[in-house]
Amino acid sequence: DAKTTQPNSMESNEEEPVHLPCNHSTISGTDYIHWYRQLPSQGPEYVIHGLTSNVNNRMASLAIAEDRKSSTLILHRATLRDAAVYYCILRANAGGTSYGKLTFGQGTILTVHP
Amino acid sequence: DSGVTQTPKHLITATGQRVTLRCSPRSGDLSVYWYQQSLDQGLQFLIQYYNGEERAKGNILERFSAQQFPDLHSELNLSSLELGDSALYFCASSLLSGQNYGYTFGSGTRLTVV
Repeated sequence: DAKTTQPNSMESNEEEPVHLPCNHSTISGTDYIHWYRQLPSQGPEYVIHGLTSNVNNRMASLAIAEDRKSSTLILHRATLRDAAVYYCILRANAGGTSYGKLTFGQGTILTVHP
Repeated sequence: DSGVTQTPKHLITATGQRVTLRCSPRSGDLSVYWYQQSLDQGLQFLIQYYNGEERAKGNILERFSAQQFPDLHSELNLSSLELGDSALYFCASSLLSGQNYGYTFGSGTRLTVV
């Protein structure tokens, strides 16, 4: 699977926007960009995913660079409940032993200050 | 409640023993994935099943095995347990295996081997 690079940690204040960057310079044309987050003592939670166009859902927005070598997860107004580890993952096309699996890196630890 | 049910939530057992972890996927999901999360290894993919058949294998030890039953629930069997097997074990499910689908994770089983 192609690798992603994320900052180890970021901090934000409550009710401010948060931009979580992810670099994936070796992304292939068919890789989807997925974001998950893991709150303390819980299982990972799906946040958002996209291929080429920017995506919005009720949790967040995903901004994908035109060359697809980087992306940014945007939390529009951070709350204390958004404090978590955020994982940026490239999901490869079907085939071979990589079929279907998500490969998690170390992620970004987001701290939200009241 | 994510819709993915894992039992038991906690398990304490002795070295050399065998345990079975159970996962019921979200209603309608055909694919089940197992992950192991330890402090020093992060989230590691173990194995995937789709509609009863094994689809992908990750870093799963030979002492570990899994299966998915006709009602789509899955079991992960861990045998000859060692202290290093102590970890959180997560199950996730998705409708299909394709890259355009997100996973739903359960809350995990915390295994402690003493």
